[in-house]
Amino acid sequence: AQSVSQHNHHVILSEAASLELGCNYSYGGTVNLFWYVQYPGQHLQLLLKYFSGDPLVKGIKGFEAEFIKSKFSFNLRKPSVQWSDTAEYFCAVNAATGGYNKLIFGAGTRLAVHP
Amino acid sequence: DTGVSQDPRHKITKRGQNVTFRCDPISEHNRLYWYRQTLGQGPEFLTYFQNEAQLEKSRLLSDRFSAERPKGSFSTLEIQRTEQGDSAMYLCASSLGGTGANVLTFGAGSRLTVL
Repeated sequence: AQSVSQHNHHVILSEAASLELGCNYSYGGTVNLFWYVQYPGQHLQLLLKYFSGDPLVKGIKGFEAEFIKSKFSFNLRKPSVQWSDTAEYFCAVNAATGGYNKLIFGAGTRLAVHP
Repeated sequence: DTGVSQDPRHKITKRGQNVTFRCDPISEHNRLYWYRQTLGQGPEFLTYFQNEAQLEKSRLLSDRFSAERPKGSFSTLEIQRTEQGDSAMYLCASSLGGTGANVLTFGAGSRLTVL
């Protein structure tokens, strides 16, 4: 079955630490990849997306993600986190085989950043 | 506010009652999606509409669930004879659709608690 796996359910960091959140998917063929973020008390917001081209994509608030096709991965990174990055982060995929119609989410990673 | 609107934001009901949620998408978006999110999980796809046509339904959507989008604008999700297992956040999203560029914008969700 098609699925998205996020390796860490909870991550705790101190401010200024570097962040990398893992995401792997199990689709064949062409995919679009997304990271969404949900800040406490807020709705899901798009952080960044990959459709094609440069596999290193930059999003809002200094986040970036790298698509590695051979590893079926789309890991999220930020060189230096801030307290305001405390949130839940979701990796998501839709696939050409499904007409890009259905976005499938991972279980999420809850990030807590301590000052 | 020109985002995706959902109503009500919270609903508490007794087991066996029927509930209905409403979603107003971004006006120019022709696709509308319903997802369900439970604690510690990512959003799970339930169904989606292209204009007024319901094009796909998840197996998660039992016979007690029905969704409509009668005029291709707002949508309703009804749950009949609610069960405690229906307690979740019900998320609506909309998009412009089309292949390869299908970016979903989410609403704040409707939280259902079944006692």
